[in-house]
Amino acid sequence: AQSVAQPEDQVNVAEGNPLTVKCTYSVSGNPYLFWYVQYPNRGLQFLLKYITGDNLVKGSYGFEAEFNKSQTSFHLKKPSALVSDSALYFCAVRALYGNNRLAFGKGNQVVVIP
Amino acid sequence: DTAVSQTPKYLVTQMGNDKSIKCEQNLGHDTMYWYKQDSKKFLKIMFSYNNKELIINETVPNRFSPKSPDKAHLNLHINSLELGDSAVYFCASSQTVTDADTQYFGPGTRLTVL
Repeated sequence: AQSVAQPEDQVNVAEGNPLTVKCTYSVSGNPYLFWYVQYPNRGLQFLLKYITGDNLVKGSYGFEAEFNKSQTSFHLKKPSALVSDSALYFCAVRALYGNNRLAFGKGNQVVVIP
Repeated sequence: DTAVSQTPKYLVTQMGNDKSIKCEQNLGHDTMYWYKQDSKKFLKIMFSYNNKELIINETVPNRFSPKSPDKAHLNLHINSLELGDSAVYFCASSQTVTDADTQYFGPGTRLTVL
């Protein structure tokens, strides 16, 4: 079965600094990888996904993520963090021809310090 | 225009009661899902329907019964509520069951069992 690891519980970053949220995955076969963001008391919002093609994927709100097959990673990045980026970030993986299940990581709380 | 909506947003009830949560999507999607988010923010799939047919039924107590009257609606009925059922329940939808399809989430229903 597929799984995702988000090793850090919380990521603190100063406003204007680069933001990185780490994600590694485990899946049989080709992965489909997703990043979602959850603001307090809200549902999950889709940020970006990797299906195939270019390893660097650009998404909403200036976020991007890089698929690295050899390291089985899909880290989320933003060049310059904003205070409004403070939220809970989830990485998720689904396997091609898998069991239809989207497996989520435990989430990373991002705190952007003004 | 709300894409995926859920009612109610908050639900407070006593142990042993029966309650329902409703979900509707106006995206024209074929596939809908129910997720449970526990107090540690961990997200787990519960059920999935494709064109009104059940395709995912995780290890969930049979007190939980989903019903899909049509493609746009997926309701969740819970019998004999227990304290451990307290969580946030999210509905989601995707265009199809294809692994690459993005899932879009509703705002969540916070269930508190007293």
